[in-house]
Amino acid sequence: NAGVTQTPKFRILKIGQSMTLQCAQDMNHNYMYWYRQDPGMGLKLIYYSVGAGITDKGEVPNGYNVSRSTTEDFPLRLELAAPSQTSVYFCASSYGANQPQHFGDGTRLSIL
Amino acid sequence: AQSVTQPDIHITVSEGASLELRCNYSYGATPYLFWYVQSPGQGLQLLLKYFSGDTLVQGIKGFEAEFKRSQSSFNLRKPSVHWSDAAEYFCAVGPGGGADGLTFGKGTHLIIQP
Repeated sequence: NAGVTQTPKFRILKIGQSMTLQCAQDMNHNYMYWYRQDPGMGLKLIYYSVGAGITDKGEVPNGYNVSRSTTEDFPLRLELAAPSQTSVYFCASSYGANQPQHFGDGTRLSIL
Repeated sequence: AQSVTQPDIHITVSEGASLELRCNYSYGATPYLFWYVQSPGQGLQLLLKYFSGDTLVQGIKGFEAEFKRSQSSFNLRKPSVHWSDAAEYFCAVGPGGGADGLTFGKGTHLIIQP
């Protein structure tokens, strides 16, 4: 029972490079979320999705893009990496809007 | 807008002692409240949740939390901590009117002394 799987676990990027953080869940959850976690700041919502083909911005969406072509997958794309995007990124999913969210193990991203 | 405050950044407790982690929230309606635990290098794991009903909720690993509407609080407790409880603990309040994600507190880092 995999739950929420994030890849890669670690990545170092140069300023201006682009990359996609992958997230997949096998629980048939409609709701999926991307958060970033910075030291001492808790988690901030980047984007979320309530189903395939539907995405919306969270609190800190600038510099990121998402897509949701299937129920299972919710990739997060960084187009022009900036040092401010150095963070740990978590993907989560839930059965419904107010249901508990299940988290992946995170992707630790450094922009140098 | 909803918000969550965890007043204690760090707490140190001796192994075997009792624990209380504080959480205060601001929310316009009946809140959905959660406590999560994060071990180093790991994602967040749900400890317990409150949606409605009994204000004292039991969770995994021997944790419990009490919802007090009058104090806008949802404090986490454990009667006797173990060294394995050392972790980061996050309180969160459920989505606002739409489907957007949880609002998290900044976390409390729990240190267990031998």
